[in-house]
Amino acid sequence: DAGVIQSPRHEVTEMGQEVTLRCKPISGHNSLFWYRQTMMRGLELLIYFNNNVPIDDSGMPEDRFSAKMPNASFSTLKIQPSEPRDSAVYFCASSFNNEQFFGPGTRLTVL
Amino acid sequence: QKEVEQNSGPLSVPEGAIASLNCTYSDRVSQSFFWYRQYSGKSPELIMSIYSNGDKEDGRFTAQLNKASQYVSLLIRDSQPSDSATYLCAVRTGFGAGTTVTVRA
Repeated sequence: DAGVIQSPRHEVTEMGQEVTLRCKPISGHNSLFWYRQTMMRGLELLIYFNNNVPIDDSGMPEDRFSAKMPNASFSTLKIQPSEPRDSAVYFCASSFNNEQFFGPGTRLTVL
Repeated sequence: QKEVEQNSGPLSVPEGAIASLNCTYSDRVSQSFFWYRQYSGKSPELIMSIYSNGDKEDGRFTAQLNKASQYVSLLIRDSQPSDSATYLCAVRTGFGAGTTVTVRA
């Protein structure tokens, strides 16, 4: 299995631009998680899906952030408009029995 | 109160010694507990899961869980330089801040 796949691996954009991060979970996993990691705040859960349905989005910072999971093999996290404080590494993880497997992450820099 | 608290570290141990990492959690109904290892610039990697009170051993790693005290720990025996990383305690979807371990050769 290729593991969790994320794209892009690096993204540099300017403030105000729309950013879309993509994730392909491990086949057969029924839960998908989006995290953000910074030095200051550590690893924060943004949202998680179970069987493609959003279960807990309380970690989504504000309305500028949105996430979708149209099917079992694909999810997106969108930031519109982006701000410099959104700069972080964004991880996607998937699980079947509570044990999460992380993707390589997307390093986002908003100038 | 943060959901998961870890001893902040950093922790420096000589090669061959035991590294001891501690974690407390606030959610009394939690049933699943995990330790992840994260190398610098990499993603977290699951190294141990524990669901029942007591000890669970996997190679040089031992996880200990005490639900009454809401406490979970990780012991790394015979520490190697390759164990140098940040170790994250997780309870369901809540992660601790991590403890950075450096093993001195």
